[in-house]
Amino acid sequence: EPEVTQTPSHQVTQMGQEVILRCVPISNHLYFYWYRQILGQKVEFLVSFYNNEISEKSEIFDDQFSVERPDGSNFTLKIRSTKLEDSAMYFCASSGPGQGTDTQYFGPGTRLTVL
Amino acid sequence: AQTVTQSQPEMSVQEAETVTLSCTYDTSENNYYLFWYKQPPSRQMILVIRQEAYKQQNATENRFSVNFQKAAKSFSLKISDSQLGDTAMYFCAFDWGSQGNLIFGKGTKLSVKP
Repeated sequence: EPEVTQTPSHQVTQMGQEVILRCVPISNHLYFYWYRQILGQKVEFLVSFYNNEISEKSEIFDDQFSVERPDGSNFTLKIRSTKLEDSAMYFCASSGPGQGTDTQYFGPGTRLTVL
Repeated sequence: AQTVTQSQPEMSVQEAETVTLSCTYDTSENNYYLFWYKQPPSRQMILVIRQEAYKQQNATENRFSVNFQKAAKSFSLKISDSQLGDTAMYFCAFDWGSQGNLIFGKGTKLSVKP
C-alpha cells in the first residue's frame, strides 16, 4: 500500500541553523500539508500546498518557514533560523487526487530537536 | 471558527472489553468530514476511521465504529474487543472541505490493560 515517507526521522540542530525536512507524498496525490506537534500537545496545521503554491497557512507559518516541491516527488519544509520553540514532531501529509476533501494520509514524522 | 473538543484526557480499558471515546465539535458548516487518528508510542499518525457529514449511516472499520450525531455535533469512537495494540493517543479531527487544514482535538490517551 502506498505511504507517505519522511526523512530524517530525527534531526538535531543548533539554534539559528537552517533545517530542511523532506517528505515524499503518495505518488498520485495532489494536495500536500505540513503539521507540527509539540511534545504533549495537539497537532497543529502549518501549511497546505496545491498546484505548486501555498493554498493555506496558519499563523505559525511565518517568514522563517517555507515550502517547496523541487521535483515531481519531494515536498520540503525549510526553517530558516531555528528557535528553541521549533522543537517538535513535524508531520507531512498528502491527499487527493479527487475533487473536494479527501482523507489526509500522514507520514511517520520527523522529530526536530533544537539545542 | 471550527473547534474540536475531546473531554477525556485519559481512559483505560481491559483487554477484550469495549470503550467509547468522546468528541464534540463546533461548526456552522453543513458539509464536512470527521476523522479519528491513532498515534501509538512511535508517534506516527494512523487513520482509524472517516465519516462524511452528509451520510446518516455511521462508519465502521472492523472493531472500530463511530456514533455520529450531527444535530448534537458529536462524533464518538467505539472500540470493541480492545487489544493491547490499541494502546495509543486518539485524536478526533475535523475538515470542512476546503482542502486546507485538519483541526485536531487535544487527544485521549487510551491504555488497554491485560
